Amino acid sequence: GAGVSQTPSNKVTEKGKYVELRCDPISGHTALYWYRQSLGQGPEFLIYFQGTGAADDSGLPNDRFFAVRPEGSVSTLKIQRTERGDSAVYLCASSLSGFTNSPLHFGNGTRLTVT
Amino acid sequence: GDSVTQMEGPVTLSEEAFLTINCTYTATGYPSLFWYVQYPGEGLQLLLKATKADDKGSNKGFEATYRKETTSFHLEKGSVQVSDSAVYFCALSKTGANNLFFGTGTRLTVIP
Repeated sequence: GAGVSQTPSNKVTEKGKYVELRCDPISGHTALYWYRQSLGQGPEFLIYFQGTGAADDSGLPNDRFFAVRPEGSVSTLKIQRTERGDSAVYLCASSLSGFTNSPLHFGNGTRLTVT
Repeated sequence: GDSVTQMEGPVTLSEEAFLTINCTYTATGYPSLFWYVQYPGEGLQLLLKATKADDKGSNKGFEATYRKETTSFHLEKGSVQVSDSAVYFCALSKTGANNLFFGTGTRLTVIP
């Protein structure tokens, strides 16, 4: 079956621009997570959705970052006024009901480069 | 704060060698511990987990035991294969938490 799909796989943008990164989770998975992985580091938690609502957004670094999941399926991570420090691989993951009871399935990520 | 410290890589082994990748953690309470693996060109996937002290997680010949006395969760495999070449991440979660704390990853290369 289809796994977690993230688009685009690569995105290059100029400093100051706005970007949107898309995540299609596995069908039926209610829990969705965004992580950010900088070069040489492990993934860092950004935000967690249970259904349509953001149950935990404590990992978002500042108010330039925002994510939505309006119908409880596809999610979009939005970054305003991008900065060079935002360059990283953005990972999306989903699970059936939350990773403590069911495993996380990760997408291949979107590599964002801010020039 | 909560954190995971992983053995730095890269690690290069010959096929059939014994593998250990060290992982220690800092956390209050009783976290759950995980090993995730990322094969070339693929997304992260769960390799094994342990949810309480002295539990042993195992999968695909890999094992890790949750040692509370040493706050460790070292990954081991008795005989590695070329197909085990990947990046391995140790991670923890707190009870009731919604997120995972990952280590920095260890790249393993197995040569024939």
